[in-house]
Order: sequence, then structure tokens, then C-alpha cells
Amino acid sequence: RKEVEQDPGPFNVPEGATVAFNCTYSNSASQSFFWYRQDCRKEPKLLMSVYSSGNEDGRFTAQLNRASQYISLLIRDSKLSDSATYLCVVIVNAGKSTFGDGTTLTVKP
Amino acid sequence: DTGVSQDPRHKITKRGQNVTFRCDPISEHNRLYWYRQTLGQGPEFLTYFQNEAQLEKSRLLSDRFSAERPKGSFSTLEIQRTEQGDSAMYLCASSSSWDLGRNQPQHFGDGTRLSIL
Repeated sequence: RKEVEQDPGPFNVPEGATVAFNCTYSNSASQSFFWYRQDCRKEPKLLMSVYSSGNEDGRFTAQLNRASQYISLLIRDSKLSDSATYLCVVIVNAGKSTFGDGTTLTVKP
Repeated sequence: DTGVSQDPRHKITKRGQNVTFRCDPISEHNRLYWYRQTLGQGPEFLTYFQNEAQLEKSRLLSDRFSAERPKGSFSTLEIQRTEQGDSAMYLCASSSSWDLGRNQPQHFGDGTRLSIL
């Protein structure tokens, strides 16, 4: 079993839809969590941090459930430009960062 | 541009050759990371520096791989006797230290795409 698991998708949704991704992790000592987006053949770019209380940035909402060991990302009112691969990363300590393999989202007109 | 810079962007070489990549992190960041990414996979952690000290190294990193960060600024990643399986995107990232009780997010460079013939 991988340390960080994501549903690879692809998720194909129409513009304006709401879509949610989950990411599960196995190490209960994990400290920090982030979501990145990665466009084809580009580097990962930070989307948002994930805080214990949950946090929102515009159309994006991230949540953490420590008891069940998963984080989630909700995208509301999807735009064509949201099409990308979404990667979660879990940090156990400063030197131990583990990425999921990503969930691919395609938003269609 | 004050982001993470990697050089070269692309490297094509024959099997058995040595290659070296360079990473210049964001200047105020003291943490530096190297990852490898292949198609359809997430970035795979290779090694981590805090300042000039290499504090973590993946068990997946064979002895053909070595990384340095001699003055706590730029870093190099060398692969000796390259193999076809080394073909991948090599990503460098940097971050600042623990702050407000949290690890700070990593910022990535554009990567070096390595192709082994």
C-alpha cells in the first residue's frame, strides 16, 4: 500500500460543476498537508495549504480529517482553466515529503 | 525572477555517461529538495538539505546518485553511469523553515528532463 493514495481519475466535469478529490495517508505522525496542481509537462505549483480547521481560498476548499487520515479538496464553479492534475503532499517531518500520484481533472465546456 | 532555477532544462545522453544538474533555490530558503518524476506518477522524494547538511536521503537512491549543497545555496545532483531507467524529470524545490508550528510549502523549479539513449 502506498503511503499517500489518490484516485487517479480522470474526473471529467462540465464547466460550473463542483468536484471533490480525496487523498488518504497512512502515517499517523504526518504533520503538514498541501495541495498542488500540475499542468502537463510543467512543475507542480502550490495551490493551498491544508489546515486542521479547514480553509478556503476563493472557489477552493481544503479539509483535513486526522481521525480518518485523509485530506480533501473541493472545487466549486469549475472553470476550463482548472483542468490539471491535482497532487496532495503529506509531510511527516521537514525532510520526509510524500506526494500522491495525482488526480486528473478535465473541465469541459 | 526570484523563483527556483534549474539547469539544464533538457539533457540527452547515452547510457553509461555521467550527468550533473544544478538547482538555485529561492535565496531566502534554507531547505532544498530533489525529486524525480515519471509520467503518471507524483514526484518521488530523493533527498533533502537544510542549509549545507544533507539530512535525508531516500532508500531508493542508489549509490550512483549523489547530491551536494556545499555553501548552503545552490545544489547539484549527479548521476553516474546512467541507465535507461534514470530517464525522468528531475525536480528541485526549496522552502523556508518551520514557521508558526507548520512546515512551509515547497516551491518547485521547472525541472530538468533527462533522456537516456
